[in-house]
Amino acid sequence: NAGVTQTPKFQVLKTGQSMTLQCAQDMNHEYMSWYRQDPGMGLRLIHYSVGAGITDQGEVPNGYNVSRSTTEDFPLRLLSAAPSQTSVYFCASSPGLGKAFFGQGTRLTVV
Amino acid sequence: GQQLNQSPQSMFIQEGEDVSMNCTSSSIFNTWLWYKQDPGEGPVLLIALYKAGELTSNGRLTAQFGITRKDSFLNISASIPSDVGIYFCAGQLSGSARQLTFGSGTQLTVLP
Repeated sequence: NAGVTQTPKFQVLKTGQSMTLQCAQDMNHEYMSWYRQDPGMGLRLIHYSVGAGITDQGEVPNGYNVSRSTTEDFPLRLLSAAPSQTSVYFCASSPGLGKAFFGQGTRLTVV
Repeated sequence: GQQLNQSPQSMFIQEGEDVSMNCTSSSIFNTWLWYKQDPGEGPVLLIALYKAGELTSNGRLTAQFGITRKDSFLNISASIPSDVGIYFCAGQLSGSARQLTFGSGTQLTVLP
């Protein structure tokens, strides 16, 4: 009964380092997305995918890359981490009708 | 991007009281959803609304899709300590390929 699994749960990076946040879902949903959550700002969409091989930008895509080679996996890559990317990152998958199932989040600190 | 104005930002209520929060927008939404987030967890869907005027309940929670399609409210009746958390509204715009726009959240604290 895994749902959406994100790894790691916590990460500290130095400015300029790169890393990949992993996201996997076992519900066979076509639609997946990445959000960042900052205090007082709700969740903002970074990138999304409507199916394997198809990705698109959301509201705040700069500094992030995604790919979708399989239905199950949707990794988020930080190319060169900056302190402004300190945030909590959530991956979500959706069967449609606006419903989204979220992972537990990755808390990222960039120093 | 599109904005959802969610209010209030925070609420402190006594256990047993009723709670009301709402979201408004200048844009028309096809879908309104309400999520709850517990500390250290991801948001969990509470209620989904798909038609203007729709009123839907989930236990002690009741939500409505505004007639103008630009607003929604969530009511919680007879609050209990486990209602503590952050409540988010989210809307899906027409033709948005399932992207959701989120409000900034309402932090609810229930005092014993």
